[in-house]
Amino acid sequence: QVQLVQSGAEVKKPGASVKVSCKASGYTFTSYDIDWVRQATGQGLEWMGWMNPNSGNTGFAQKFQGRVTMTRDTSISTAYMELSSLRSEDTAIYYCVRAGSGKDYWGQGILVTVSS
Amino acid sequence: QAVVTQEPSLTVSPGGTVTLTCGSSTGAVTSGHYPYWFQQKPGQAPRTLIYDTSNKHSWTPARFSGSLLGGKAALTLSGAQPEDEADYYCLLSYSGARGVFGGGTKLTVL
Repeated sequence: QVQLVQSGAEVKKPGASVKVSCKASGYTFTSYDIDWVRQATGQGLEWMGWMNPNSGNTGFAQKFQGRVTMTRDTSISTAYMELSSLRSEDTAIYYCVRAGSGKDYWGQGILVTVSS
Repeated sequence: QAVVTQEPSLTVSPGGTVTLTCGSSTGAVTSGHYPYWFQQKPGQAPRTLIYDTSNKHSWTPARFSGSLLGGKAALTLSGAQPEDEADYYCLLSYSGARGVFGGGTKLTVL
């Protein structure tokens, strides 16, 4: 069965970077784009960007341009999202989503807390 | 960046019908925005109900339907059930394959 399993919670200091992972199983990893979406506590969903695991091509929301990197390791069917220059407003749950198939599968989400 | 608007909250009676809408600051929403609808219950990850305006996943209850209505994307719930109480988000795609979520609609079944 299709699964997207994300890494564990992270606590970071302001100005640091965080790299979260999303391991895919149950399908051919390179056949579907991966979206990243975040949600601050009590707030709405925010689309961050997408990555094509086959080509490595990416696209980001304007808000995150220059601060986000999306990469992958096809040998272990894992996508990564790295966000730099963290600030308190980046405290949120970060989700990966299998796109290109009706965005049918979501990871369980990773809580990233930015606090001094 | 475009702004996507949704009703902040709506209430529907059990068994009733309600329509949630999703508008775009750039003009009419079309099929080219590939509208999505997601349902999120407290403490859970979102679940995708509708994609590409009106397509359903295997898990999407038949009482949910998606359409374009009056220049907006619409999600209609016909025959509301208590378990449909949740937050609902739409997502529109813009040039460069960029997505923008609406602010969400809190649906109460009462």
